[in-house]
Amino acid sequence: NAGVTQTPKFQVLKTGQSMTLQCAQDMNHEYMSWYRQDPGMGLRLIHYSVGAGITDQGEVPNGYNVSRSTTEDFPLRLLSAAPSQTSVYFCASSQDRRYDSPLHFGNGTRLTVT
Amino acid sequence: AQTVTQSQPEMSVQEAETVTLSCTYDTSENNYYLFWYKQPPSRQMILVIRQEAYKQQNATENRFSVNFQKAAKSFSLKISDSQLGDTAMYFCAFINQAGTALIFGKGTTLSVSS
Repeated sequence: NAGVTQTPKFQVLKTGQSMTLQCAQDMNHEYMSWYRQDPGMGLRLIHYSVGAGITDQGEVPNGYNVSRSTTEDFPLRLLSAAPSQTSVYFCASSQDRRYDSPLHFGNGTRLTVT
Repeated sequence: AQTVTQSQPEMSVQEAETVTLSCTYDTSENNYYLFWYKQPPSRQMILVIRQEAYKQQNATENRFSVNFQKAAKSFSLKISDSQLGDTAMYFCAFINQAGTALIFGKGTTLSVSS
């Protein structure tokens, strides 16, 4: 029972490089989301999806793209990395968007942009 | 807009003692869910306890309980018989009934010592 799987666990990028953070869940969850965690800031929502083919912006979407072609996968793309994107990124999913569906989190990706 | 405030950036407690972490929130909605998540040094996000605003009875999960004061918009977490494994950052989170706003506080780092 894998739950939510994020890869990679660590990544170092140079300014201007692009990369994709992968997120996959095997629980048939409709709702998936990406958060970034910065010291003293808690978790902030970047993008979310309520189902395959549907995505929307969260609180801090600039510099990030997402797509949801399947129920299982929800990759996060950084098109041109900036030092301000240095953070820990979490993918999370829940059964649906209902408020009583608890989030299941991946183990996070620590990204450093130099 | 909803907000979640955790006023204690850091707390420390001895093993076997009881500690209470504070959380206040602001919302104009009448029904919503509140959560406490635990993030140990492993970085994993773990759901500790949750409370539906309509339920007056405070939620309890083993050594963890909450004091939910709806009128005061307060949602504190009490940890009884603290254990070394409780050392972690704790996040308070709010989600509205429509599921359109999931907001985290900035976290409280709890250290349990022997």
